[in-house]
Amino acid sequence: ETGVTQTPRHLVMGMTNKKSLKCEQHLGHNAMYWYKQSAKKPLELMFVYSLEERVENNSVPSRFSPECPNSSHLFLHLHTLQPEDSALYLCASSQGDIQGYEQYFGPGTRLTVT
Amino acid sequence: GNSVTQMEGPVTLSEEAFLTINCTYTATGYPSLFWYVQYPGEGLQLLLKATKADDKGSNKGFEATYRKETTSFHLEKGSVQVSDSAVYFCALRETNAGKSTFGDGTTLTVKP
Repeated sequence: ETGVTQTPRHLVMGMTNKKSLKCEQHLGHNAMYWYKQSAKKPLELMFVYSLEERVENNSVPSRFSPECPNSSHLFLHLHTLQPEDSALYLCASSQGDIQGYEQYFGPGTRLTVT
Repeated sequence: GNSVTQMEGPVTLSEEAFLTINCTYTATGYPSLFWYVQYPGEGLQLLLKATKADDKGSNKGFEATYRKETTSFHLEKGSVQVSDSAVYFCALRETNAGKSTFGDGTTLTVKP
């Protein structure tokens, strides 16, 4: 039990669909993150939320839209995706967004765009 | 900017062999350093960490020492097991802003 859950675990969607990924942390943390993990590529940080405010947006295409309604929940809304967006999307949380705190990761959502 | 360079994989060892995975970094400030492990089908898990120079992180028989003079944080284990087969990521976290930088990951396979 990592304390960070993600749903769904697997998602197949067409390029014209709209779907959302959900992340929930049960650790009382106040910072949450979305990462993209593609085969043969480094882990890519997409978004960072600290105290429910977005503090980092790493030039992510607008077809990815994050939402953080409270400190325990994080969503990634997807629309009109491309096949190259197929990847493992990892959510993480930490006690704070400063250097000493490690991140706790969820199991990921395996996304396939057809 | 900051960067983390890990030893390229894959690494294949026999059970009970000695493991070293090299990690070096560049950073402008005084980062914290981490090793994460990812087992098949799972997210990353913290393996160990060190927050200042000369600190040694250890967990489950793995060790790494924060070497500021060589900007390194090499991962070692004296005797690996089949269950250690996974992908290992070295990472740093900056003093300010808290943004993490990850290495590319090193795949370890341990054969019985």
